[in-house]
Amino acid sequence: GEDVEQSLFLSVREGDSSVINCTYTDSSSTYLYWYKQEPGAGLQLLTYIFSNMDMKQDQRLTVLLNKKDKHLSLRIADTQTGDSAIYFCAVQGSQGNLIFGKGTKLSVKP
Amino acid sequence: DVKVTQSSRYLVKRTGEKVFLECVQDMDHENMFWYRQDPGLGLRLIYFSYDVKMKEKGDIPEGYSVSREKKERFSLILESASTNQTSMYLCASRDRGRIYEQYFGPGTRLTVT
Repeated sequence: GEDVEQSLFLSVREGDSSVINCTYTDSSSTYLYWYKQEPGAGLQLLTYIFSNMDMKQDQRLTVLLNKKDKHLSLRIADTQTGDSAIYFCAVQGSQGNLIFGKGTKLSVKP
Repeated sequence: DVKVTQSSRYLVKRTGEKVFLECVQDMDHENMFWYRQDPGLGLRLIYFSYDVKMKEKGDIPEGYSVSREKKERFSLILESASTNQTSMYLCASRDRGRIYEQYFGPGTRLTVT
């Protein structure tokens, strides 16, 4: 079945850029997603990218998709303490559901 | 704004009890999902529903059942709660014509003692 892998932790200093990486096994997903989960909260859709795109930019967020390597990344520019959260990469499964990675916990140090 | 609500934020039940977790969405979405989230395991799909009275098993349906009698409501049922079902349960919904936008509820943290 589909597998989505991401590193579990990332620590950056406030003002730096954060890059969270994700790899997946099945390239048939039409959309690929990044979700954010703040402590004690549900998941919030941060951004998504259509599979025929290489890049999508949305304010401080840049998503890069390398279909050949099955690699998705999320770059957060000028990272703030409010960006501290768990970030989940997700792809669509064959039944239309989402398949999530285990999540990357981003810690932002002042 | 899409709103997905779950009946409880925190729930404590005893082993063997029948547990109902309720999820309600107010955007007339056809598709609804139940996930559980555990540290180090991420989110795993339990059941989902394409529309009223429809249900499909996800990756970990054992020990769970679901009910979708009305479009806005999707219930997760633990027939006989066990300690290994202690987890965070997340409900989600989406419009079948906008599959790229899946909205999550705040979650129910269930503890089975």
